[in-house]
Parts: sequence; C-alpha cells; structure tokens
Amino acid sequence: AQSVTQPDIHITVSEGASLELRCNYSYGATPYLFWYVQSPGQGLQLLLKYFSGDTLVQGIKGFEAEFKRSQSSFNLRKPSVHWSDAAEYFCAVGTANDYKLSFGAGTTVTVRA
Amino acid sequence: EPEVTQTPSHQVTQMGQEVILRCVPISNHLYFYWYRQILGQKVEFLVSFYNNEISEKSEIFDDQFSVERPDGSNFTLKIRSTKLEDSAMYFCASRGQGATGYTFGSGTRLTVV
Repeated sequence: AQSVTQPDIHITVSEGASLELRCNYSYGATPYLFWYVQSPGQGLQLLLKYFSGDTLVQGIKGFEAEFKRSQSSFNLRKPSVHWSDAAEYFCAVGTANDYKLSFGAGTTVTVRA
Repeated sequence: EPEVTQTPSHQVTQMGQEVILRCVPISNHLYFYWYRQILGQKVEFLVSFYNNEISEKSEIFDDQFSVERPDGSNFTLKIRSTKLEDSAMYFCASRGQGATGYTFGSGTRLTVV
C-alpha cells in the first residue's frame, strides 16, 4: 500500500522568503503525485501534479515541485511567499490502477510580516 | 472551469439520524470518490465508485455507509445511523480516464451532536 510522509508539521516563513515543503512517498510502482492547499474550513485546491515526463512540475500560484525517484520525494517550493500562502499543504500519492489518493498529514504554513 | 459541487456545505445532525451528502461530479467523469477529514487530521479515502458499483472501500467504510449514483448526475454518500465520531469534512472527487481532471469538491462539514 502507498503512503506519504510530510516530515514538517508546521513551518513559519517570512513574507518574501522562499519556502520548501517536504514530501516523501512509499509506493512500489510509478507514483502519481499531487500537492493540494487548504485554507481553514475550505476545500482542497490542486496546486500541481506529476504523472510522468519532466520531473520539475509547475503549478498555480507560483509553486513548483520536483519529483526525485531516487529519494522517493516530491518537494514543493515557492521562491517568494506571500501572506496569502498561509494555509495547510497536503501531499498525496495515487495508485496507477484506480487513483485512490493517500494523503500526508499536512504541513501548516504560517507567514509572518 | 468544471467543478465538483457538494451540498449542503454544512450539516448538523443528531446522533443516530441518517444523513445523505450529495455531490454532482463533473459531467463527463467516470470515476467517483468520497474522502473524509476529521478536524485537525489528514484526508482519508473512504470509497471509490465506477460503473455503478464500488471499486474499493476502506476499513472506515463499514455497513453504516453506502454510496449511490441515483440518476446519472448525482453521487451520494449515506450514513445510516450517525455517531459522534462521524463528525468530519466529507469531500467528493471525480475524474476522467487516467487521472484526467481529478477534482475535489469544496466539502460538506458534518457535525453530529
């Protein structure tokens, strides 16, 4: 069975600073990887996804993620955060047959002025 | 952009009552899912549905839960006799072939009192 680990429960970053959120997955075959963002009380918004091809994936809101098979990682980055990026971020891995998603526990991002 | 629509956005129910959570998936999608997120915890898979039958269900999805696609457009989750621990945000998702357009709805917050 697949699983996802997000090692950082909470990250605080200054506005304008760079942000990197870590995600490690466990899955025996080619993973399908997703990053979602959730504001308090809201739904899940897809930031980006990786299925195949270029291992550097561009998403919405200036986010990007890099798939590294050798490290079983799919870390999310943003060069310069904005106060509106304060939210909870979830990494998820999907199976190749039915795309059932397994989510990590999430990383809460706080942006300080 | 096509959306997955969930209603109601918030439902309060008494313990032991039946609830039906409704979802309208994206119109040409074939695969449907329910996930739930207990407050402060990660998103968990409940059930996947394809071709009018359940493809897979988690251990959470016990006999109290059922899903249905009653009319070709709606996709419902029924909880027969709600418990306090069923209080959570429930997300519906749908996709096309492969992981095309994998989209989550904005969720229904269920509060059991």
